[in-house]
Amino acid sequence: DAKTTQPNSMESNEEEPVHLPCNHSTISGTDYIHWYRQLPSQGPEYVIHGLTSNVNNRMASLAIAEDRKSSTLILHRATLRDAAVYYCILRRSGSARQLTFGSGTQLTVLP
Amino acid sequence: GAGVSQSPSNKVTEKGKDVELRCDPISGHTALYWYRQRLGQGLEFLIYFQGNSAPDKSGLPSDRFSAERTGESVSTLTIQRTQQEDSAVYLCASSLASAITYEQYFGPGTRLTVT
Repeated sequence: DAKTTQPNSMESNEEEPVHLPCNHSTISGTDYIHWYRQLPSQGPEYVIHGLTSNVNNRMASLAIAEDRKSSTLILHRATLRDAAVYYCILRRSGSARQLTFGSGTQLTVLP
Repeated sequence: GAGVSQSPSNKVTEKGKDVELRCDPISGHTALYWYRQRLGQGLEFLIYFQGNSAPDKSGLPSDRFSAERTGESVSTLTIQRTQQEDSAVYLCASSLASAITYEQYFGPGTRLTVT
């Protein structure tokens, strides 16, 4: 799977939007962009995924650049419970193989 | 519905002892994965089971580590002659074979401490 690059850490104020960036300049046409997050002392949980178009679900939105070389996870109103490590991962379409986790972005939400 | 469950939640063992960690995947999920996460670090892949295919053992760090899966249900990760560097949280995940993007659902993990 292609490599992704994320900032090590970010801070946000509670109830404000958060934009978590991810660069994936070597993405291939069949790679899906996945986001997982890991809350303290828990296993990772799936957040959202997309291929080309922007995606929304109850947890977040995913904005994908037109050239697909970068994407942004958007939390519309951060809460204290959103404090976690956020991982941006590329998965080849049709691949059920293991996820390759990088170091992710540690999001701190300030009250 | 029920998620992925793992047992025990915590295990403390003496160096040199063998340990078994159990994972119950979500019913109907044919793919099962084991990962390891050392304190303050990212997840490392250990082993992957997919249906009746031969497992991908490429992530196992040594021959002291082994895993089995009974059909499409329970999996057991065994660590023989444990060493202090085996101390970590061991996470299990499962996914549906029919999902195009194979979202993985993780269990809460087993925290292993080798003294």
